[in-house]
Amino acid sequence: DAGVIQSPRHEVTEMGQEVTLRCKPISGHNSLFWYRQTMMRGLELLIYFNNNVPIDDSGMPEDRFSAKMPNASFSTLKIQPSEPRDSAVYFCASRLQGFGGYTFGSGTRLTVV
Amino acid sequence: TQLLEQSPQFLSIQEGENLTVYCNSSSVFSSLQWYRQEPGEGPVLLVTVVTGGEVKKLKRLTFQFGDARKDSSLHITAAQPGDTGLYLCAGARVDSNYQLIWGAGTKLIIKP
Repeated sequence: DAGVIQSPRHEVTEMGQEVTLRCKPISGHNSLFWYRQTMMRGLELLIYFNNNVPIDDSGMPEDRFSAKMPNASFSTLKIQPSEPRDSAVYFCASRLQGFGGYTFGSGTRLTVV
Repeated sequence: TQLLEQSPQFLSIQEGENLTVYCNSSSVFSSLQWYRQEPGEGPVLLVTVVTGGEVKKLKRLTFQFGDARKDSSLHITAAQPGDTGLYLCAGARVDSNYQLIWGAGTKLIIKP
């Protein structure tokens, strides 16, 4: 298995632009998580999907953030408009619900200038 | 608010030395996971401990879950440069089947 695949690995964008991050979870995993990691706040859960349905989006910072999971093999996290304070590493993780730990992707390092 | 305090935040030691990393909380967890994260990569699961008092070994790494399931430790024997990385603990909330409480991490550097 190729693991959780995220794209792009790096993204540099100007303030106000739309940013879309992509994730392909491990085949057969029915839970998908988007996390954000910063030095100041560590790992923060943004949104949790189970069987493609958003279950908990309480961690989404504000309306500028949105996430979708149109099918079991693809999810997106969109920021529109982006702001410098959104600069962070964004991780997607998946797991088979109820079984053990999470498998993380390699992350997308987002820089908003 | 549930917290998981991890210590030390930073540790730099010579190859061959032993070390212990701690995660402590006032809350009970249903399980606790340890991850290692290398620069430019996502966290990788090392172990999950479930039962109070449980001890698991992974080569030179020994993980222990406290009897009350509120704390955990990671002990590395004869550390090697390949052990360098950010070590994260994450506690699974007893009232949730998906939420993890994350420690802030221990940045470990093993010098050759």
